[in-house]
Amino acid sequence: GNSVTQMEGPVTLSEEAFLTINCTYTATGYPSLFWYVQYPGEGLQLLLKATKADDKGSNKGFEATYRKETTSFHLEKGSVQVSDSAVYFCALTGNTGGFKTIFGAGTRLFVKA
Amino acid sequence: DTEVTQTPKHLVMGMTNKKSLKCEQHMGHRAMYWYKQKAKKPPELMFVYSYEKLSINESVPSRFSPECPNSSLLNLHLHALQPEDSALYLCASSQDGGGPLGNTIYFGEGSWLTVV
Repeated sequence: GNSVTQMEGPVTLSEEAFLTINCTYTATGYPSLFWYVQYPGEGLQLLLKATKADDKGSNKGFEATYRKETTSFHLEKGSVQVSDSAVYFCALTGNTGGFKTIFGAGTRLFVKA
Repeated sequence: DTEVTQTPKHLVMGMTNKKSLKCEQHMGHRAMYWYKQKAKKPPELMFVYSYEKLSINESVPSRFSPECPNSSLLNLHLHALQPEDSALYLCASSQDGGGPLGNTIYFGEGSWLTVV
């Protein structure tokens, strides 16, 4: 079955540091890939997505590239801020319809001033 | 700002109480979801409604009863819950069941439920 594996956290960085959160997936066919972010005390928000190989999703300085050859969708940001402290979930959905989203375990990010 | 609104934001209920969580979306989406999220875990799917009909029930205990009065509203009726049901309950919606472009779901802020 489909699955998503994320790097374990927590990840602690200083402000303006470079961020990478690794995400790899197992899926049949060509899934769509997502990053969701959950700030403390809130629900999940869509951060970015990519629907086919080599697509790059980007938003708020974050970006991730859909790499089919390595089945990966790593999240990167060049310079993190304290306000980026949150839990980040990598996720996928199939491309043949259906309602189920497969989430990774989540990676907690702490950014220190 | 989220376009999926949930009420109440916090709820404390006893094990013999009956309460309801409510959700509303105005994005014209035809699929609506209930998820349960425990601390430090990803959301777990509970129910999906598609075009106002129950499409998925992930073997959820009958003490949770969903209802979809119309395409914009989704309720979750709670009765005789257990302390282990304490969690964040997230409502979500999507345009439909997705396809070649995947299925982007939009979450509400959640309702924090404590069962005492």
